[in-house]
Amino acid sequence: DQQVKQNSPSLSVQEGRISILNCDYTNSMFDYFLWYKKYPAEGPTFLISISSIKDKNEDGRFTVFLNKSAKHLSLHIVPSQPGDSAVYFCAAIRRGGTSYGKLTFGQGTILTVHP
Amino acid sequence: GAGVSQSPRYKVTKRGQDVALRCDPISGHVSLYWYRQALGQGPEFLTYFNYEAQQDKSGLPNDRFSAERPEGSISTLTIQRTEQRDSAMYRCASSLPPGGAGELFFGEGSRLTVL
Repeated sequence: DQQVKQNSPSLSVQEGRISILNCDYTNSMFDYFLWYKKYPAEGPTFLISISSIKDKNEDGRFTVFLNKSAKHLSLHIVPSQPGDSAVYFCAAIRRGGTSYGKLTFGQGTILTVHP
Repeated sequence: GAGVSQSPRYKVTKRGQDVALRCDPISGHVSLYWYRQALGQGPEFLTYFNYEAQQDKSGLPNDRFSAERPEGSISTLTIQRTEQRDSAMYRCASSLPPGGAGELFFGEGSRLTVL
């Protein structure tokens, strides 16, 4: 039972254009969502997050949008840069629950930004 | 150290052998997490600790898997009588607040191969 899904295994974008990575979830108890970025041979690193009480959070070139009714979130990167090429994981957690550390991850999307 | 340190980075073992994977979290981080990541998938929760107390071990696949953090710092994940299906990347992460806010700092992982 995949509670967090990233249906696009890969995405290719030209430098300077927008990258949009999508994520869907099924568990309505999730109340906090995160994006992690992973380079080869490294561990995932935290990128940006959003609480379920918001519908948008922005940090520089990165913006995360949350549509609770659709159980969908997306990560926008504008403008995309070659250094953004990495695997992006969507993750969700129920912060009000008893297992604060129990993140549920999606399968990841490989982003390639071409110069 | 500056980041989460895991050892060994690579471990090849024969089926039936016991394996111990070590994690040294960021100094002062209260919470420590173990995740497992199969190829092409996102990390999957195994267990987590606040200080030395194991808060949730619901993700451990079976009783061959155990984890400890006796002094609230370094943690060891032990797999007894390894099987080929145990082959995966095992990732440790830590966070500062008790319980975490989802913003975990991951190590580079220990890749386990069971022959």
